[in-house]
Amino acid sequence: EIVLTQSPGTLSLSPGERATLSCRASQNINNNYLAWHQQKPGQAPRLLILGASSRATGIPDRFSGSGSGTDFTLTISRLEPEDFAVYYCQQYGSSTYTFGQGTKLEIK
Amino acid sequence: QVQLQESGPGLVKPSETLSLTCTVSGGSVSSGSSYWSWIRQPPGKGLEWIGYINYNGITNYNPSLKSRVTISVDTSKNQFSLKLTSVTAADTAMYYCARGVSYWGQGTLVTVSS
Repeated sequence: EIVLTQSPGTLSLSPGERATLSCRASQNINNNYLAWHQQKPGQAPRLLILGASSRATGIPDRFSGSGSGTDFTLTISRLEPEDFAVYYCQQYGSSTYTFGQGTKLEIK
Repeated sequence: QVQLQESGPGLVKPSETLSLTCTVSGGSVSSGSSYWSWIRQPPGKGLEWIGYINYNGITNYNPSLKSRVTISVDTSKNQFSLKLTSVTAADTAMYYCARGVSYWGQGTLVTVSS
């Protein structure tokens, strides 16, 4: 089973700042099948990024994903008030999928 | 646009079987290359992948739940289902169904309590 470790656990930033979230895998993720999801309180998660770097339909271009192999990054170039949420990475490159433990992005 | 909707009892007694159904609209459960998953989230905690069934009926489960989980599909109703046996309070969670990584249902809260 591939273990995903997200860092930091909590990130405190202000609107307009740049956010960098990390997801590290315990082994290589096949085909870079790594997704990022955003979850707001009381809502289902929403897909932001798939295939490590492809934005899902309707996702603003301030969200970008990068990385390959075992190290992946989600970057939010300029934070909007609605971006403060919890972010999860998920790998789907192996026969059993796994999620990271999440990074909470909070307003400073 | 694919939409998914979970349904099932909101309260299950300890040691009994949790049964949930996900109804799919805007797409077919038998369409090629589709993977239909169940994911859960205990209150205040992170996401846990439970398992999936694919378009060929092949299943894969989280190793930690494998002995208690069955996922099946009903193509006539365009639904797929989750059964989790011998539940305990630790199985209390919001349960989500999803297609691949792209589409999620709204979730249904299941509480395990006598």
